[in-house]
Amino acid sequence: DTAVSQTPKYLVTQMGNDKSIKCEQNLGHDTMYWYKQDSKKFLKIMFSYNNKELIINETVPNRFSPKSPDKAHLNLHINSLELGDSAVYFCASSPQVQGVSTDTQYFGPGTRLTVL
Amino acid sequence: GQNIDQPTEMTATEGAIVQINCTYQTSGFNGLFWYQQHAGEAPTFLSYNVLDGLEEKGRFSSFLSRSKGYSYLLLKELQMKDSASYLCVAGKSNYQLIWGAGTKLIIKP
Repeated sequence: DTAVSQTPKYLVTQMGNDKSIKCEQNLGHDTMYWYKQDSKKFLKIMFSYNNKELIINETVPNRFSPKSPDKAHLNLHINSLELGDSAVYFCASSPQVQGVSTDTQYFGPGTRLTVL
Repeated sequence: GQNIDQPTEMTATEGAIVQINCTYQTSGFNGLFWYQQHAGEAPTFLSYNVLDGLEEKGRFSSFLSRSKGYSYLLLKELQMKDSASYLCVAGKSNYQLIWGAGTKLIIKP
């Protein structure tokens, strides 16, 4: 029944490792997002995909690479993890189309990444 | 530039009314969202205003003035479960959302 799900919920890893976070939505939405929420609680958008096409790519290190195999999934792969990557990563989805951000976004539960 | 300003923290008493203000500045503005986020949880949608005026939804109401770049969220009959962060979010015409840092609302008995 979960609308937007993410795995894993917690991820603890060493600096330099490569890790992936998966996101799936069963709402039939067209658009999916990845956000990073740091210790100061700012939610910063990282990427957005609409029907498997990248539409937002904010200034994010190229160690972060999103992959959307279909419009229900948006995974985030992170290479060479750094201490500053420690944060909570939220996946979200919305039904918007044609470049209009007027629709509600539904969030996944978040993945708390800790890099040691 | 673009930015969202809202108070960092507010305290209110159970049963009372509180108003959380937000000012925004951004190009291509097309609507203002409010989200609620409990500690350790994901944000959840509360309201969306695209036209000027007040939108009422149960105990929560949201107001928008586009000419002033101003919005507020009004919470009535406060309950302890309303203790959370309230995020003001400006929507833009190019898919982007500009998120405020949130206002931490503390409810006291």
